[in-house]
Amino acid sequence: AQSVSQHNHHVILSEAASLELGCNYSYGGTVNLFWYVQYPGQHLQLLLKYFSGDPLVKGIKGFEAEFIKSKFSFNLRKPSVQWSDTAEYFCAVRDYKLSFGAGTTVTVRA
Amino acid sequence: GAGVSQSPSNKVTEKGKDVELRCDPISGHTALYWYRQSLGQGLEFLIYFQGNSAPDKSGLPSDRFSAERTGGSVSTLTIQRTQQEDSAVYLCASSQAGSETQYFGPGTRLLVL
Repeated sequence: AQSVSQHNHHVILSEAASLELGCNYSYGGTVNLFWYVQYPGQHLQLLLKYFSGDPLVKGIKGFEAEFIKSKFSFNLRKPSVQWSDTAEYFCAVRDYKLSFGAGTTVTVRA
Repeated sequence: GAGVSQSPSNKVTEKGKDVELRCDPISGHTALYWYRQSLGQGLEFLIYFQGNSAPDKSGLPSDRFSAERTGGSVSTLTIQRTQQEDSAVYLCASSQAGSETQYFGPGTRLLVL
């Protein structure tokens, strides 16, 4: 069975700071990896995904993630955050259904 | 285009009552999923429908939970004899055949008093 672990429960940053959220997964098959974001009062939205190919994937709003197979990791990064990046971020792995991490709440202070 | 829609957006019910939650997937999406988002449990898979195949019910927490999908489109999640621990946001997602990307609806926030 697959599982996902997110390292940070709550991250607080100032605007323009860099962000990195850790995600490790446990799954023996071909992985499909995702980061979803949930802005306050909104529904889950896809931020980026990795299926195969270039392990560095770019998503919306300046986010990127790097798949490191040897480390079973799929960390999310953004070089300079904005106040509008305040949200909850979920890493997920898919076989047919999604298995989510516990989520990381990111608070960006203006 | 229209996304996944869910109704009601909020539901308050009394313990022991039955509730029905509705999901309208994106038109043409053959796969439909229900998840539950609750404090302490995070996001959990409940049930999966794919076309005309038998649904995967492996995530349903008890036999009080059931779901159906009529005509390969709209789905209804039913919770019988609700308990306080059923309070959560129930999310529906859909995807196209052969696509790994799921698109989520806004959820139904259920509160059992």
